[in-house]
Amino acid sequence: AQKVTQAQTEISVVEKEDVTLDCVYETRDTTYYLFWYKQPPSGELVFLIRRNSFDEQNEISGRYSWNFQKSTSSFNFTITASQVVDSAVYFCALSGPDSNYQLIWGAGTKLIIKP
Amino acid sequence: KAGVTQTPRYLIKTRGQQVTLSCSPISGHRSVSWYQQTPGQGLQFLFEYFSETQRNKGNFPGRFSGRQFSNSRSEMNVSTLELGDSALYLCASSGEQDGYTFGSGTRLTVV
Repeated sequence: AQKVTQAQTEISVVEKEDVTLDCVYETRDTTYYLFWYKQPPSGELVFLIRRNSFDEQNEISGRYSWNFQKSTSSFNFTITASQVVDSAVYFCALSGPDSNYQLIWGAGTKLIIKP
Repeated sequence: KAGVTQTPRYLIKTRGQQVTLSCSPISGHRSVSWYQQTPGQGLQFLFEYFSETQRNKGNFPGRFSGRQFSNSRSEMNVSTLELGDSALYLCASSGEQDGYTFGSGTRLTVV
């Protein structure tokens, strides 16, 4: 069965610090997709990234970067020079044939950036 | 292009009533999936529709149902509402090459 674990329930840092959100997944699929979403207080889930299982290259988008390591089944997300606007709940998710392509979600990490 | 539109944004219903939520996907997207989000259970998959056919269903009772129309718009219905159905209901649309784009959600409160 597929599973996503986000062990960090809540992280609080001061603005401009770097912060890493951990995501560990379990799947028997060889082809699968990993996602990160941001959920601000308004409730909408904002898509950040999708990565397929065959692409282990790290991704950087502005202050955001993602480290995908199949060897440790991890897909971690780093925010560099955090800003107050980054405060939100961040979800990691997985989909693949084993879940019939529904999204399997982690519990989320609440990130608080203090000014 | 326009995003995913969910209506209404907020709903307050009484136990025992039924409710219908609507989701209009991104133009060209044929897949619409629904998720329930609660503080206790997190995000849980309800069902997914593709070209008017339900392709996948989560582990929810039969009180939860849905459908998709020929224009890809989707509705979900919850009958005989219970207090535990209070949640944020999120709809996502996806195309063949895209990830899942979510709407703003409908926040349902059952009293």
